[in-house]
Amino acid sequence: KQEVTQIPAALSVPEGENLVLNCSFTDSAIYNLQWFRQDPGKGLTSLLLIQSSQREQTSGRLNASLDKSSGRSTLYIAASQPGDSATYLCAVGTSGSRLTFGEGTQLTVNP
Amino acid sequence: NAGVMQNPRHLVRRRGQEARLRCSPMKGHSHVYWYRQLPEEGLKFMVYLQKENIIDESGMPKERFSAEFPKEGPSILRIQQVVRGDSAAYFCASSPSLITSNQPQHFGDGTRLSIL
Repeated sequence: KQEVTQIPAALSVPEGENLVLNCSFTDSAIYNLQWFRQDPGKGLTSLLLIQSSQREQTSGRLNASLDKSSGRSTLYIAASQPGDSATYLCAVGTSGSRLTFGEGTQLTVNP
Repeated sequence: NAGVMQNPRHLVRRRGQEARLRCSPMKGHSHVYWYRQLPEEGLKFMVYLQKENIIDESGMPKERFSAEFPKEGPSILRIQQVVRGDSAAYFCASSPSLITSNQPQHFGDGTRLSIL
């Protein structure tokens, strides 16, 4: 059974800092891995998707890496801004198409 | 609006009533997934459907919960005889294809269900 863990559970940083969010999973037989952003009371916004054959994906100030063999992914956010404050969710896709989510990292970027 | 549409956004029911949650997938998407987010917990998979077929319902509670995705119209998640523990945010996602690993699931804004 796939289990996904995200560390830290919460993170507070001053504006402008570079930061790393961590995600680990127990079963390396994954299809893909997605990082999402969730704002309070809102739905999920897909940030990046990494296929199982890929090592990283980049979009703007975001970079996500994937190491299947060690069961780890990281989301790197450069030059953080107050608008980046949200909960960041890591989700692992299996061949059955279901996503298994971590419990998220709640990020606060202080002006 | 090309996104996944869920309605209602908020639903209040008394214990014992029925709740019906609706999800219209993105245009061109034929796969629908339902997830539940209990208070202070992560999202948990419930069910995966294609048109007129339930593909994987291993995350659905065995009683009171059912889901359908008819040939015409939205997908429906139905909860009978609701209890306080059903209070949660229910999210729907859709995707165009099972086969390719580069297809993300696109999520709706969710339905917040509150049981009085």
